Amino acid sequence: QQQVKQSPQSLIVQKGGISIINCAYENTAFDYFPWYQQFPGKGRALLIAIRPDVSEKKEGRFTISFNKSAKQFSLHIMDSQPGDSATYFCAATYTGGGNKLTFGTGTQLKVEL
Amino acid sequence: DGGITQSPKYLFRKEGQNVTLSCEQNLNHDAMYWYRQDPGQGLRLIYYSQIVNDFQKGDIAEGYSVSREKKESFPLTVTSAQKNPTAFYLCASSGLAGNTGELFFGEGSRLTVL
Repeated sequence: QQQVKQSPQSLIVQKGGISIINCAYENTAFDYFPWYQQFPGKGRALLIAIRPDVSEKKEGRFTISFNKSAKQFSLHIMDSQPGDSATYFCAATYTGGGNKLTFGTGTQLKVEL
Repeated sequence: DGGITQSPKYLFRKEGQNVTLSCEQNLNHDAMYWYRQDPGQGLRLIYYSQIVNDFQKGDIAEGYSVSREKKESFPLTVTSAQKNPTAFYLCASSGLAGNTGELFFGEGSRLTVL
């Protein structure tokens, strides 16, 4: 059973555009929602994370929007740049759960000039 | 540089053989994790350890074994009992045992059973 569903599988955006990746979860006990970024040949690394006490978190050009009632969260990349081209993974876990992350299947983002 | 190192990067084995994947971290992290990745699926947790000499089964532990004799090391053995061992294996560590926080990932080991 896939507890975190991620879409789209791949995404092509023009430079300067907005990249949007969506995730939906099922387990209402989840209370920590990170996004990981992975460049080819590298391990995935934490990009930004949110807890359900806020509906939005912004760090530079990256924003997480969180909708608790819909059990959805999304990553927005503003002013997308070619250097943002990578695979993005959403994830979820819950406090007291041993930090065991449940990951989405990933989105391959390509930002074209 | 601090980090997490997995080896080997690629591994081939014959059916019926056990194989051990290495995972070492020099981040002084308490918690370590092993995940398996298959095409079209999210990562699935195999085993995790929050402290030395202790580990717990994840969602798909059957056919795998681990040990945590040292804080910095968390080797994974894929036994002959694992029915579909061909996969990409990821090791991770976290400094916040028992709490939510950032996971640091290795670059992975790809196991192919011939």
